[in-house]
Formats: sequence, C-alpha cells, structure tokens
Amino acid sequence: GQQLNQSPQSMFIQEGEDVSMNCTSSSIFNTWLWYKQDPGEGPVLLIALYKAGELTSNGRLTAQFGITRKDSFLNISASIPSDVGIYFCAGQRPGTTDSWGKLQFGAGTQVVVTP
Amino acid sequence: NAGVTQTPKFRVLKTGQSMTLLCAQDMNHEYMYWYRQDPGMGLRLIHYSVGEGTTAKGEVPDGYNVSRLKKQNFLLGLESAAPSQTSVYFCASTYSTIGSSRGYEQYFGPGTRLTVT
Repeated sequence: GQQLNQSPQSMFIQEGEDVSMNCTSSSIFNTWLWYKQDPGEGPVLLIALYKAGELTSNGRLTAQFGITRKDSFLNISASIPSDVGIYFCAGQRPGTTDSWGKLQFGAGTQVVVTP
Repeated sequence: NAGVTQTPKFRVLKTGQSMTLLCAQDMNHEYMYWYRQDPGMGLRLIHYSVGEGTTAKGEVPDGYNVSRLKKQNFLLGLESAAPSQTSVYFCASTYSTIGSSRGYEQYFGPGTRLTVT
C-alpha cells in the first residue's frame, strides 16, 4: 500500500533544541495524526488534525495540517531527554466507506536527544 | 480503563508452528485492527474488523487469519508460521461512527514481539 513520505528518517539533537519533521503525499488527506512510539511500546496519539490549515498544540508539540491537504508538520520545542522515540505521521484519505477508518502511516522519524 | 491490551508480549515459534495473538479493548470501540511493524517500513495493516462477527483484509493479509467473536476481542492467528512473519504485531481500535472525525483516532496496544526460527 501507499505510504506517506516522512522526513527526516532520524535526527540527533541536543537537549533544548527545537525539532521539526514533516510528512508529504501526492494525494490529499482529510485527517492527519501524529503518534509517538517509545522503545518497546505501542504508538501513542499526540495530535489529531481535521481541517486544512489547522494548527494544534499539545504542550511543547505543535502540528499543522498543510493548506494543500497533502502534507503535515510536527514541531517539538525545547527538546528534553524523554522526547526520544519514533514519531509517526498517519493520514486518512477521503474516499469510499471501504477506506473509512483505515490509516496510512509514514515510516517514522527516529529522534535521539543528547544532554 | 486498561485501553487496548495484547497477549502475549513475546513469543518464539519454530517454522510451521501455529499460534494465536489476543487483543482486547475495554473502550467499546467498534473497529479493531491488526498491524505488523518491521524496521523502516512503518505500520502495515494485516486485517481489520468493523464490528462483531465481521473481518476484512488489509494490506498484507497472507498467512494470517482473524476472528471477532466478541466486540471487545480481536484474535490474530498464524496457521503455519514462517520466518518472514518475524515482526512486532500491534492491535488498535477506534470509534465507530462513519463520518465522525474522531473515528480516525486509533488507539494502540503495547505490541507482541514474535520471532519465527
């Protein structure tokens, strides 16, 4: 199946730095979701976006639904050691009821935070 | 609320053996999903269910079967395990209402790490 293009694949940053990652597709989406996965755990939902142009924050995390509906961005401000993990984007494409409820996932961005 | 739980957490199988992975959710969600996660590949949908007694194929269904006899449980079966099925398996569930935007928010279990030798 089609996967979303997520970049970068990995990031090594220093504590206190800001982090940016994005997810793009050639198709439009009507929902974007961002998840974080800690080592040995399942993905946890961070932010959900439902409208083009929408900007939503969750603590130090901010995500945006691209105006073209083909991309989304996640920013983490003032990173701390517990931000380490893999961040996944996921999207829901508009379509038939058969596609309803099914998400497409990016391959993930591995974030490593050094003190 | 336990959310989504999965058993077992770890399992090692020999080629040709069979096993069943159990997923349970206590959120009264209609939709449930099974994914596999392999390095660099993200999450790929194996099978899903839109309600008790119904199942459907996802992106990578071959070699797997599923059953949803009760709304809260979704079982994933491997009839004859192969080394290519070595992976981490995640179950997820979501709200039901078609057209409801929150229906896209999937909640994941902690995963089952399966090794087939």
